[in-house]
Amino acid sequence: ETGVTQTPRHLVMGMTNKKSLKCEQHLGHNAMYWYKQSAKKPLELMFVYSLEERVENNSVPSRFSPECPNSSHLFLHLHTLQPEDSALYLCASSQDLAGEGGELFFGEGSRLTVL
Amino acid sequence: GQNIDQPTEMTATEGAIVQINCTYQTSGFNGLFWYQQHAGEAPTFLSYNVLDGLEEKGRFSSFLSRSKGYSYLLLKELQMKDSASYLCAVRDSNYQLIWGAGTKLIIKP
Repeated sequence: ETGVTQTPRHLVMGMTNKKSLKCEQHLGHNAMYWYKQSAKKPLELMFVYSLEERVENNSVPSRFSPECPNSSHLFLHLHTLQPEDSALYLCASSQDLAGEGGELFFGEGSRLTVL
Repeated sequence: GQNIDQPTEMTATEGAIVQINCTYQTSGFNGLFWYQQHAGEAPTFLSYNVLDGLEEKGRFSSFLSRSKGYSYLLLKELQMKDSASYLCAVRDSNYQLIWGAGTKLIIKP
């Protein structure tokens, strides 16, 4: 099993659809993250979970709803999205939230297109 | 505000050396990271600097000067597989990661 797995890899949805992105990590990490990556822009942190509790929500619109049922799984529920939400959504995990080193391990992302 | 600057795109020749610069202005400093991201793939960790100086890892080295708010990633003996985007990120005083927009490196034969 690879470290961080995201499904689906590609998703096309209309503005009225409801869909979910799934992330699973097999590294025994305590922290998980959702990032949005748009072309030629810095990574945007959306949500952070530590030990299944949300510790950060960076002013993300309510049409994005995260869920962390356990320390290995993270979901991003999507509803009534806008075309500008089209982007690559990356999931990442780290051993803990902060501390020495503490690099992130990323999944390969879910490429979302909103029509 | 907090800001990370790195060149948008660079081109280099196979076998050569390239230096990718990153300058930052952040609220405090708790380390600087470099990640590599091939097109359509996950970003992967390359290096971490928290003290001034040069960290070497094989063909890749990363340098940090905290007083100048400056880092660079040095890639030697370039190979075609080094064509990728290179992301610089700084952890601020609140341990939040501030990201640059990435540098797309194109390697030509």
